[in-house]
This record gives sequence, structure tokens and C-alpha cells, in this order.
Amino acid sequence: GAGVSQTPSNKVTEKGKYVELRCDPISGHTALYWYRQSLGQGPEFLIYFQGTGAADDSGLPNDRFFAVRPEGSVSTLKIQRTERGDSAVYLCASSTPSNPGELFFGEGSRLTVL
Amino acid sequence: QKEVEQDPGPLSVPEGAIVSLNCTYSNSAFQYFMWYRQYSRKGPELLMYTYSSGNKEDGRFTAQVDKSSKYISLFIRDSQPSDSATYLCAAGQGNTPLVFGKGTRLSVIA
Repeated sequence: GAGVSQTPSNKVTEKGKYVELRCDPISGHTALYWYRQSLGQGPEFLIYFQGTGAADDSGLPNDRFFAVRPEGSVSTLKIQRTERGDSAVYLCASSTPSNPGELFFGEGSRLTVL
Repeated sequence: QKEVEQDPGPLSVPEGAIVSLNCTYSNSAFQYFMWYRQYSRKGPELLMYTYSSGNKEDGRFTAQVDKSSKYISLFIRDSQPSDSATYLCAAGQGNTPLVFGKGTRLSVIA
């Protein structure tokens, strides 16, 4: 079956612009995670959904970042007033509740803020 | 101090060598430990996982956890050029999100 799909794969934007990144998880996976990975670093947790609700958003760096998952499937990560420091690869992963550590990652959305 | 510490390398070995990758962690509450492999410009993929202290073997790969010293290891036997990637250790508890190390970049030279 299909894996986790993320779009766009690459996004170049200017400082101050608004950006949306989309994640389509594996069908039937109720848990969905957003991580951010900077060059030479491991993935850093941003937000986690169980179904439609955000179960843990403690990793969001500030109020410019927001994520939704209105129907419990596709999720969108939204970044307002982008800054150069937001440049990174944004990774989405999904899992089943019975195996929370076994994450299936997408290939990521590479965001570059000029 | 980060909850999961990992030497970023890079590590370069000849083909056929035994590779040892290591992490330490600080949170005693962690219950399960994972190793992910990440090829360049790809997402991480799960390689090995363990839920207790001891060894777990899968082909050329062995994952080892020592909870008393909070130490996680991954051994790769008969390393191949196709093993060249970044290896990420991670730890978790319950349904809380995984905490990842920085990753160790491995190159296996033919």
C-alpha cells in the first residue's frame, strides 16, 4: 500500500510569507506526527495528533506554527510570517496506537526561507 | 542536556568491517528504543526496535540496550556500501512522541 505522502517536496519562500505543508498518512494510522530536521541534526518533535485532536503540541516553537487534522487523516502544518530560521526539512510520520514507536515517515518537505 | 545523546560522526569504515553505533539517554522512564536509518534526502525508516534490556538480532544487525547504564547500541556485521546512511537512535515511553538523537553519519567504503 501507499506510504506517507508529503507535499510539496520542496518549497522556497521569502521571509514573512505564509506556508502550508501537507501530509497524507498511511490509511488506518490514527497517530500522526510532525517533526522538523535541520542540517546535521536529528528530527525534533513539533506536534502529535491522535485522530483529529492535537494530543501534544509542546514542540511547536512559537505561535507562528499551527497544525490541523480536521478529518483525522490528512494534516496541514501552517507557518505564518516565515523567518530564515524556519528553513529545515519538515517530516511527517504516522503510526498505529498499538505500536507508538514504530513511525512510518514521509520523505519530508524541504522548506527554504530566503 | 538532551534526553538522547548520539555522536554525529562521521564514521568511515572499509567494506566488511563491524560497525558499532552508540547512544546514551537520560530519562529513566523510556520504555522502548529504536534505530532508524536515513538515506540522503529521504525520510527515516525503522531498522530495529527493542522494548527491554538485552540483545535483538536481525540478519547483520544487532540492537543492544543496557538500561542500567542507559546505553543503546547498534552493531552492523559485514558492513556493505549500501549501509552508508545516517543512523538515528530514538527512545520513547507510552504514547509520547519519540525523542531522537542527532544521528551518526556512516560511510562504508568498497
